[in-house]
Amino acid sequence: DSGVTQTPKHLITATGQRVTLRCSPRSGDLSVYWYQQSLDQGLQFLIQYYNGEERAKGNILERFSAQQFPDLHSELNLSSLELGDSALYFCASSETQGGRSYGYTFGSGTRLTVV
Amino acid sequence: DQQVKQNSPSLSVQEGRISILNCDYTNSMFDYFLWYKKYPAEGPTFLISISSIKDKNEDGRFTVFLNKSAKHLSLHIVPSQPGDSAVYFCAASSGAGSYQLTFGKGTKLSVIP
Repeated sequence: DSGVTQTPKHLITATGQRVTLRCSPRSGDLSVYWYQQSLDQGLQFLIQYYNGEERAKGNILERFSAQQFPDLHSELNLSSLELGDSALYFCASSETQGGRSYGYTFGSGTRLTVV
Repeated sequence: DQQVKQNSPSLSVQEGRISILNCDYTNSMFDYFLWYKKYPAEGPTFLISISSIKDKNEDGRFTVFLNKSAKHLSLHIVPSQPGDSAVYFCAASSGAGSYQLTFGKGTKLSVIP
């Protein structure tokens, strides 16, 4: 157990729908990162939050949004889902803004299947 | 444009031999590099890192080499064990930015008993 909890583990939904993925960071970590891993792709950075504030945005679609709450858990909202959104979504956390020494601690991911 | 490239999607090595996984990067601002290991149905786990002020970092059976002039790093595993079979991701970050990690596509290592 890495200490980063992601729910749900699996999600199957129809095109056009909206889903929410949840992440609880490791105790003491203030930064949360969201990554998407599609088939045959590496981990694509989506967005980062640090202590409740958005810090950096990557290749995140306008249909996607995220937030980090006062208790530091984070949610990634995906709307108007398309078949191409099917992927593994990973959440990671780090103590500081960068986790320079040991990188991030990843959760086990949420597998989203859009049918 | 891929800033971190792992050009070998897969690698097979005999148990006990050396495994060498390669990674190239294009962004000159990257100054910190990491390797992650990922087993199926699990998230990536941190393996080893190296700062750009060094050219080698060692941790047990794992050694990472950095060649800044060539923008190339490699991960050596000696000796390779069947439990090392996993997907290995190379990642890089820049101290000039918000430190988010940029990942390669990964190399699947299979260690054959």
